[in-house]
Amino acid sequence: AQTVTQSQPEMSVQEAETVTLSCTYDTSESDYYLFWYKQPPSRQMILVIRQEAYKQQNATENRFSVNFQKAAKSFSLKISDSQLGDAAMYFCAYSKISSGSARQLTFGSGTQLTVLP
Amino acid sequence: DAGITQSPRHKVTETGTPVTLRCHQTENHRYMYWYRQDPGHGLRLIHYSYGVKDTDKGEVSDGYSVSRSKTEDFLLTLESATSSQTSVYFCAISTRNSGRALGTGELFFGEGSRLTVL
Repeated sequence: AQTVTQSQPEMSVQEAETVTLSCTYDTSESDYYLFWYKQPPSRQMILVIRQEAYKQQNATENRFSVNFQKAAKSFSLKISDSQLGDAAMYFCAYSKISSGSARQLTFGSGTQLTVLP
Repeated sequence: DAGITQSPRHKVTETGTPVTLRCHQTENHRYMYWYRQDPGHGLRLIHYSYGVKDTDKGEVSDGYSVSRSKTEDFLLTLESATSSQTSVYFCAISTRNSGRALGTGELFFGEGSRLTVL
């Protein structure tokens, strides 16, 4: 079974600074998806960024980027120029790629990010 | 906006009572999911559906049943609620389902239903 581990339950960052959230996963699959979701106090789950394992290039979405290390099974999220609105719980998630099957995402336990003004 | 509506958004009930949560989607997506969120555990899959009357169990299915009699509705039922089922429940859909060529992989979530079992 796949597992996803987020070893930092809480982190804080100063506004405008950069912070990196860590995620490791365990899988025997060679092709899969990895995601970072953000959950603000509104409770809504918002997709931040997506990475396909077969792509060597790290995904980037504006101020959000990932460091995907496939051999190490590591998938960290870097938030640059942190803003107050980035304060949220962040979840790392894994999904294998199987033709015709459901997308059963496996989530980590989350990292609560606080942004300090 | 993936057009997902959950109801009720909040519910307080007593141990032993039945509870049904409803997930409604407006875009005819084939796959629907129910997750629960608990502190320290992230989100865990309860059940999912891959079509009308087609459902399967997830990681934490004990004590839960589901039904999908039409494409747009996916119901989660707690036949006899227990305090351990106090949680926030999320419904989700996936927009594409077949491999990589058509799929982007992610799930889209509803706004969650907070259930408290006293």
